[in-house]
Amino acid sequence: DGGITQSPKYLFRKEGQNVTLSCEQNLNHDAMYWYRQDPGQGLRLIYYSQIVNDFQKGDIAEGYSVSREKKESFPLTVTSAQKNPTAFYLCASSISGQLVQPQHFGDGTRLSIL
Amino acid sequence: DQQVKQNSPSLSVQEGRISILNCDYTNSMFDYFLWYKKYPAEGPTFLISISSIKDKNEDGRFTVFLNKSAKHLSLHIVPSQPGDSAVYFCAARSSGSARQLTFGSGTQLTVLP
Repeated sequence: DGGITQSPKYLFRKEGQNVTLSCEQNLNHDAMYWYRQDPGQGLRLIYYSQIVNDFQKGDIAEGYSVSREKKESFPLTVTSAQKNPTAFYLCASSISGQLVQPQHFGDGTRLSIL
Repeated sequence: DQQVKQNSPSLSVQEGRISILNCDYTNSMFDYFLWYKKYPAEGPTFLISISSIKDKNEDGRFTVFLNKSAKHLSLHIVPSQPGDSAVYFCAARSSGSARQLTFGSGTQLTVLP
């Protein structure tokens, strides 16, 4: 079955550490996205990539970095510069960056600070 | 500045009755609207969408209405079932060159048996 796999499901970070969240898709989608969800808030866009080797900042990119070396993979690094990293992180993909079809989402990674 | 607003954080409905979830938006550049359903600890799943050239789209028990002049859309679920209990997000796509989805804050629907 095609889908989006996010790992790990739960992740703990010590103060000052960088951590990387994995997102892999086998849907052959060109575009991939990272969102952050906080309690009582909607999903906020961190970064998105419409094609391999290209990505753009979303609304809340500060303290995060991404790479898109392969079509299937879009890892997100939460750096020590992100002062409030505790949140639920969702990866999504779509057939194209034009969003003519709905985005598909992974099941998320919950990041907590130790 | 929230461009997509879901003003009701929660809604409780009796099984078999109609659930109406509302969403308001401010950006007139939005041209495509979607509803997603989300269970705890899972990613959102797509439910139904509507283009700005339409005012209604129906799929089984789910109907979305769009009132462009009021910048308002609503999701009707009838009849409501306990399995519909979830958080519902509305989302809007901008028509500019950088296509993005802007999400509302969600409404927790609880369908009581």
